[in-house]
Amino acid sequence: EDKVVQSPLSLVVHEGDTVTLNCSYEVTNFRSLLWYKQEKKAPTFLFMLTSSGIEKKSGRLSSILDKKELFSILNITATQTGDSAIYLCAVAHYKLSFGAGTTVTVRA
Amino acid sequence: DAGVTQSPTHLIKTRGQQVTLRCSPKSGHDTVSWYQQALGQGPQFIFQYYEEEERQRGNFPDRFSGHQFPNYSSELNVNALLLGDSALYLCASSLTPTNEKLFFGSGTQLSVL
Repeated sequence: EDKVVQSPLSLVVHEGDTVTLNCSYEVTNFRSLLWYKQEKKAPTFLFMLTSSGIEKKSGRLSSILDKKELFSILNITATQTGDSAIYLCAVAHYKLSFGAGTTVTVRA
Repeated sequence: DAGVTQSPTHLIKTRGQQVTLRCSPKSGHDTVSWYQQALGQGPQFIFQYYEEEERQRGNFPDRFSGHQFPNYSSELNVNALLLGDSALYLCASSLTPTNEKLFFGSGTQLSVL
């Protein structure tokens, strides 16, 4: 059975801090790994990773995949209160298999 | 460009009742998937619809059924509701059935009393 494990489950930081979110997986027929940000209700797409060792960046967010060790990291630098959300990791095969998410709270 | 839209936003039902949730995909998308997200958990795949047929199904009982219409919109039906069906139901669309990048709607929050 597919397993996607995210850590930590939650964390609280202050504005300006850097956060690192972890995602490990055990999935058959892996195709890609995706990160989503969920504020309120709708998950919004952040990154899709398919190749090991290639960092994807978007502003203050970046992510990298290690297909040998079966994990991914999402980094957020210079955090802002608007970064407060649940961050979901998902692994794609014929469907998306999601982890439970990491709840990030950024305090002013 | 309209994104994925779902209706209603909230719904309250009692055990044993039936419910229908609706979804319109993002413009240009022909594939719709449904996910159930219980409180404190990640979304769980229910099924995927393409060309008006169910193409893939997750580990959900037959009480969960769906439909896709010629305009690519979709419905999720749940019969004989249980308390455990209380969850956020998310609809997602994609360009093709094999495209991993899903665009999600804001969901329908279903409460079963």
